[in-house]
Amino acid sequence: QKEVEQNSGPLSVPEGAIASLNCTYSDRGSQSFFWYRQYSGKSPELIMFIYSNGDKEDGRFTAQLNKASQYVSLLIRDSQPSDSATYLCAVRGNNNDMRFGAGTRLTVKP
Amino acid sequence: GAVVSQHPSRVICKSGTSVKIECRSLDFQATTMFWYRQFPKQSLMLMATSNEGSKATYEQGVEKDKFLINHASLTLSTLTVTSAHPEDSSFYICSARTSVSGELFFGEGSRLTVL
Repeated sequence: QKEVEQNSGPLSVPEGAIASLNCTYSDRGSQSFFWYRQYSGKSPELIMFIYSNGDKEDGRFTAQLNKASQYVSLLIRDSQPSDSATYLCAVRGNNNDMRFGAGTRLTVKP
Repeated sequence: GAVVSQHPSRVICKSGTSVKIECRSLDFQATTMFWYRQFPKQSLMLMATSNEGSKATYEQGVEKDKFLINHASLTLSTLTVTSAHPEDSSFYICSARTSVSGELFFGEGSRLTVL
C-alpha cells in the first residue's frame, strides 16, 4: 500500500464548477497535511495545509481533514482555467520529511 | 515567502560524467533540506534528507555513492549525480524547511538530461 494515495485523474470540470480532489494516507499517526499545485515543468507550490479535523477555507480553496478515515480533500470553488494543473497531496512523516501522492491532474474547461 | 534557489535549471551531460546541482535558501537558514526526483507524470520521490553538518539520510533504493549530497552550510546543499546514465535523466527538486514555521519551500527544480 502506498503511503499517500490519490486518484491520478484526469479530472475535468467546467469553468465555474467545484473541483473535488481526494487523498488517503496510510500512517495513522500523521499530523500535518498539505496540498501543492504543480504546473507542468515547474516545482510544486503550496496551496494549503491543515492540521486539525474539519474544514479550513482560504479563498476559493477548502481543505478537509478526517483523521479517523485517514482522508484529506481539497475543494476548489469557481474553478478557473488557470487552476488546471496537477495537485499533489503531501503528508509530513515522523522524520519531518514530506511524502507525496502521485498527484491528480485537473483540467478546467472554459 | 521564503525563497529557495536551485541551479542549474537545466543541464545536459554525456553519459559517464558527473553533474552538481545546488540548492540555496536565500532568506532563511535551513538545517534540513530534502532532495526529490520526479519522472514524467509521476509524483515526487524523496531521495534523501540532507542535514547541515552531518551525513545525508538516504531513502531505500537510492544509491548514496551515486547521488552525493553535501550540506556544508545552513543555506546550501548540493546534489552530485556521479557517473550519470540516461536513466538518471529526471527532474530533481530540492526543498528546505524553515525552522520558524516548519513550512516547506521548493526550489525551481533542475531538469537533467543524460545523453
